[in-house]
Amino acid sequence: EVQLVESGGGLVQPGRSLKLSCAASGFTFSDYNMAWVRQAPKKGLEWVATISYDGSSTYYRDSVKGRFTISRDNAKSTLYLQMDSLRSEDTATYYCARGDYVMDAWGQGASVTVSS
Amino acid sequence: EIVLTQSPTTMAASPGEKVTITCRASSSVSYMHWYQQKPGASPKPWIYDTSKLASGVPNRFSGSGSGTSYSLTISSMETEDTATYYCQQWSSNSPMLTFGSGTKLEIK
Repeated sequence: EVQLVESGGGLVQPGRSLKLSCAASGFTFSDYNMAWVRQAPKKGLEWVATISYDGSSTYYRDSVKGRFTISRDNAKSTLYLQMDSLRSEDTATYYCARGDYVMDAWGQGASVTVSS
Repeated sequence: EIVLTQSPTTMAASPGEKVTITCRASSSVSYMHWYQQKPGASPKPWIYDTSKLASGVPNRFSGSGSGTSYSLTISSMETEDTATYYCQQWSSNSPMLTFGSGTKLEIK
């Protein structure tokens, strides 16, 4: 069974950093591109970043470029999202998802609240 | 940036009623994908590559469309179909993925 389990969420002050992790199991992690998608409270889905299966290519939405870094450790089957210079508008549930042009598996989400 | 506009934003359907949700793209796209999300839960892949049902999706659901106009149809509404449905497209431009704003479907 494919499983994606996010961790690392929490309450953080504006301007500070937070790192999310996503532990994958039930499939060969190194075969898949992976993504982060977020959902602000009571809002819709918003793609954040994608990383290629081998980590050689990364893609970001404009609003997080230069602040967020997506990475992966294929030996540990784990996806990461390093979030720096956080803003109130980054408050959301962050989902780890498998795939690139379509996401066929999702984690349960990690809640990130940016507030003083 | 390709913008996806879903309609309606909210709708209610009676059991057995046919339901159609529309997703219009600001530019032509090759495929449309759909997700179902219930309150407090993660999105689930529902329809991919415009018309292919994801694993476990009842065959009362179907997807169709091309170019800038796509739709998700439920042939006969059931209580368990109550959810928010999002369309999504992929583009080689930035942002790579965009989602529609969602259609909240309720039972009458």
